[in-house]
Amino acid sequence: DIQMTQSPSTLSASVGDRVTITCRASQSISSWLAWYQQKPGKAPNLLIYKASSLESGVPSRFSGSGSGTEFTLTISSLQPDDFATYYCQHYNTYPYTFGQGTKLEIK
Amino acid sequence: QVQLVQSAAEVKKPGASVTVSCKASGYTFTAYYIHWVRQAPGQGLEWMGWLNPNNGATNYAQRFRGRVTMTRDTSINTAYMDLSSLTYDDTAVYYCVRDRSENTAEYFQHWGQGTLVTVSS
Repeated sequence: DIQMTQSPSTLSASVGDRVTITCRASQSISSWLAWYQQKPGKAPNLLIYKASSLESGVPSRFSGSGSGTEFTLTISSLQPDDFATYYCQHYNTYPYTFGQGTKLEIK
Repeated sequence: QVQLVQSAAEVKKPGASVTVSCKASGYTFTAYYIHWVRQAPGQGLEWMGWLNPNNGATNYAQRFRGRVTMTRDTSINTAYMDLSSLTYDDTAVYYCVRDRSENTAEYFQHWGQGTLVTVSS
């Protein structure tokens, strides 16, 4: 199985900050990566697919980059609604696996 | 609009089986794969497998093979996930999720509200 490792596990930041979350795959997954946002008690929400394609309706302050084994999710200017947990997910081979999550907290 | 409505929470004893249903609306049910993803309390997300509602084909994650069965009833646009031989580690919220693109099994655009399955003696 491909292991997905996110860093950091927890990130404290302030409204207006630019933040970056990293996701590393244990082997190359080309660009077959998605990012999700999850708020407590809710289902996840798709943000990014194919490493850098922004899902319709997702604010443009979210962006994704990377290929191969290293990927990043960047939020250019944090808004109050962005404090949540973020997950990466590969869909290169079966089984699809997720990173362990990055909790974005208010500083 | 796309909606996936799941069945209510369940409490099961160890060794029992559970069936979670997922009723789809707002799109052509047979055109999009349905995945099942679970999340244990306070933990991350785990992909269990997918179902192709068009022909009933399935692909299960290795760790669930032999215990999970995914089926569908196209007459009522509903997918089902059966999980047998439950253990305490199966306590989780189970989500059905529709793939983003037609006839592909890749990533997860529309999520059900989740069904909490609690395994307790």
